Amino acid sequence: EVQLVESGGGLAQPGGSLRLSCAASGFSFSTFNMKWVRQAPGKGLEWVSHISGSSATIYYADSVKGRFTVSRDNAKNSLYLQMNSLRAEDTAVYFCTRESSGTWYLEYWGQGTLVTVS
Amino acid sequence: QSVLTQPASVSGSPGQSVTISCTGTSSDVGGYKYVSWYQHHPGKAPKVIIYDVSNRPSGVSNRFSGSKSGNTASLTISGLQAEDEADYYCSSYKGSTLYVFGTGTEVTVL
Repeated sequence: EVQLVESGGGLAQPGGSLRLSCAASGFSFSTFNMKWVRQAPGKGLEWVSHISGSSATIYYADSVKGRFTVSRDNAKNSLYLQMNSLRAEDTAVYFCTRESSGTWYLEYWGQGTLVTVS
Repeated sequence: QSVLTQPASVSGSPGQSVTISCTGTSSDVGGYKYVSWYQHHPGKAPKVIIYDVSNRPSGVSNRFSGSKSGNTASLTISGLQAEDEADYYCSSYKGSTLYVFGTGTEVTVL
């Protein structure tokens, strides 16, 4: 069974930092692209970052570029999001997601971790 | 970032059908066959219910169906049930491994 479990959320001050983690299990982690998606309170879903299986390809939404860094440790089956220079508008539930293989959609999602910047 | 346009809410009585539209551009919905739909019960993990415009993952009820015409995709829920009450989001591939999401639609079962 595929499982994605996020952790590391919490309260941070504006300008502060947090590091989110996502523990993956039930599949060959290194062979899948992973993405972070967030949902601000009362708002819709927003793609945040992408990292390929080998970490060769990394992308960020314009709203977080230069402040957030995505990484992964395939030996530990883990995905990370280092969030620096946090702003109030970064307040959201952050979801770890696994992309499908062979086509383009987000096949599995974690339950999310709440980040509050205040 | 650009978003796909969905109605804020739709509602229907049990047993009825409802359809949610998702309007984008030729750079996303109209340009690819990779539209997906997600069901989200608040507090839980979102779940994919339609991928590649009209395909259902294993285990998803056949009451959910998807289609696309031009720059607009649609999700239809037939035989509406109380458990279908949730938020629904469309998403489209837009190239370079990136996606765009819809604004979200709250489905209410009357």
